[in-house]
Amino acid sequence: NAGVTQTPKFRVLKTGQSMTLLCAQDMNHEYMYWYRQDPGMGLRLIHYSVGEGTTAKGEVPDGYNVSRLKKQNFLLGLESAAPSQTSVYFCASSGTGGLGPQHFGDGTRLSIL
Amino acid sequence: SQQGEEDPQALSIQEGENATMNCSYKTSINNLQWYRQNSGRGLVHLILIRSNEREKHSGRLRVTLDTSKKSSSLLITASRAADTASYFCATGFGTSGSRLTFGEGTQLTVNP
Repeated sequence: NAGVTQTPKFRVLKTGQSMTLLCAQDMNHEYMYWYRQDPGMGLRLIHYSVGEGTTAKGEVPDGYNVSRLKKQNFLLGLESAAPSQTSVYFCASSGTGGLGPQHFGDGTRLSIL
Repeated sequence: SQQGEEDPQALSIQEGENATMNCSYKTSINNLQWYRQNSGRGLVHLILIRSNEREKHSGRLRVTLDTSKKSSSLLITASRAADTASYFCATGFGTSGSRLTFGEGTQLTVNP
């Protein structure tokens, strides 16, 4: 029972570099989400997807892009990393039309120098 | 902007005591959910209460919802050291409820 798996777990980037965070879920969920968690800020929604091939902006989408080419995968891209994007990134998935509980991965800790 | 706000920000109790955390929100909701986060881990869903429900129980957890006051509370009874974690409320809104807004969390420490 893997649930939601995020890779990598840790990464250090230099300003301006690009990278892709991968999220994979094995629960056949339609809905997937990317959040960032900063100290004292709680979780903020970056982008989300309500099904394969669809994406939508969340609360803080600037500087990020996403793709949902396969139902089980949701990719988060940083085209040109900035120090303000230093954060812990969480992926989550949900079934039951999105009203149900969200299942989270263990996060990717990203530092931008 | 954050919809849910937890209170208190931090709570320290002794094992065996009860812990109560509160959550307030601003707009109409479909449901309200509580999550737990252990240090260095992802969030784990605890309980979901719908807007037409007033109280739900799950083991040692009791959640109440007062839509007239736009507030919810999470009660953990007979706390254990293993309950030490951050607790977040999240409100679901929209026609499909597909988006959750999380509060900043309450850090609970249960001392042995």
